[in-house]
Amino acid sequence: GAGVSQSPSNKVTEKGKDVELRCDPISGHTALYWYRQSLGQGLEFLIYFQGNSAPDKSGLPSDRFSAERTGGSVSTLTIQRTQQEDSAVYLCASSFAGSSGNTIYFGEGSWLTVV
Amino acid sequence: AQKITQTQPGMFVQEKEAVTLDCTYDTSDQSYGLFWYKQPSSGEMIFLIYQGSYDEQNATEGRYSLNFQKARKSANLVISASQLGDSAMYFCAMRENQNSGYALNFGKGTSLLVTP
Repeated sequence: GAGVSQSPSNKVTEKGKDVELRCDPISGHTALYWYRQSLGQGLEFLIYFQGNSAPDKSGLPSDRFSAERTGGSVSTLTIQRTQQEDSAVYLCASSFAGSSGNTIYFGEGSWLTVV
Repeated sequence: AQKITQTQPGMFVQEKEAVTLDCTYDTSDQSYGLFWYKQPSSGEMIFLIYQGSYDEQNATEGRYSLNFQKARKSANLVISASQLGDSAMYFCAMRENQNSGYALNFGKGTSLLVTP
């Protein structure tokens, strides 16, 4: 498709289980970002990938969170041993190489509920 | 320190009227980009408009315009001729060199309700 694609769109999981969220960026975009948005809150930066380079994980809230990006394209965000406070919308975004002038486009998000 | 400040948690506007959503920012970079996004209840973040720090003209995109006052570090969004479908959360954001990969820094958002 033409836009950023995320799956699943909705996920309900039990506390303590692992979840994987997938992101397929816009074709040709080398920069990929994950954000988290808790209910009624702004967006919190999690992680940034540029092409095949090692990611910047400075925004990850704990070591239960990890992400990878295969072949400089599709990315997976993994949350291990989920907690109720992990309930949020996880938004993936992409752009051409990071610069102040390139627009970042977002997917529709993965709504995660931990029960 | 808060990089992006949106002081209006909620705004009301009547259909067909214009509305201004406020945004101030803080950066020491000379080169940066300012963005506005719309987030309807469906949750998707929709890009609206962009203003570069070196742009001398205010950005416009259809009914959206950005009132850029660089010395005051403000980047207010103006929506003209409001429509019911404009009801949503609106986020101001900035890309700057200080952020990892020029990741966007977001404000807390303004909830806009357009009434008939």
